[in-house]
Amino acid sequence: GENVEQHPSTLSVQEGDSAVIKCTYSDSASNYFPWYKQELGKRPQLIIDIRSNVGEKKDQRIAVTLNKTAKHFSLHITETQPEDSAVYFCAASRDYQLIWGAGTKLIIKP
Amino acid sequence: GAGVSQSPSNKVTEKGKDVELRCDPISGHTALYWYRQSLGQGLEFLIYFQGNSAPDKSGLPSDRFSAERTGGSVSTLTIQRTQQEDSAVYLCASSHNADEQYFGPGTRLTVT
Repeated sequence: GENVEQHPSTLSVQEGDSAVIKCTYSDSASNYFPWYKQELGKRPQLIIDIRSNVGEKKDQRIAVTLNKTAKHFSLHITETQPEDSAVYFCAASRDYQLIWGAGTKLIIKP
Repeated sequence: GAGVSQSPSNKVTEKGKDVELRCDPISGHTALYWYRQSLGQGLEFLIYFQGNSAPDKSGLPSDRFSAERTGGSVSTLTIQRTQQEDSAVYLCASSHNADEQYFGPGTRLTVT
């Protein structure tokens, strides 16, 4: 079955700098890759997603890149702000079931 | 419109008691998921419902856990003979066409 690995588990960056979180997946048939953000004590919310027919997608300060050959995808956050502090989860799916990464705690230092 | 709702928001129970957790998905969403999230951990898949199809129960950790979805809408997750290791936040999510999952606020279960 599918397995998703996410790195790093914790990432601390200076406010204004960029942050990159990486995930690898094992099932080459996976075709949908969302990223969720979970603020402390809140529910996870989708921030961006990408399908296997594209290599990159951007939405303002966030972007996701997908390398199907290497089976990895990354979340990029530019010009980080204090409100970006949260846990970020990647996931991969082929059908209905999302296989989740373990999460990355992003800390934005003032 | 209304999002996914869950009740209760918090539940404290004694070890050995049964609990029922409720999820009201977004109207029209055919897919419904239950997850468990322990403190500081990731999302552990429990069970998935899609329309009238048989649910995928592959994530249920033991036979003390069961879930049902009545009329293709509201779902109830039941934990029998609760144990301390069952303490966690139980999250429900619904989706349309198996894409974006919309999460409820969760039920925080504490087993004493």
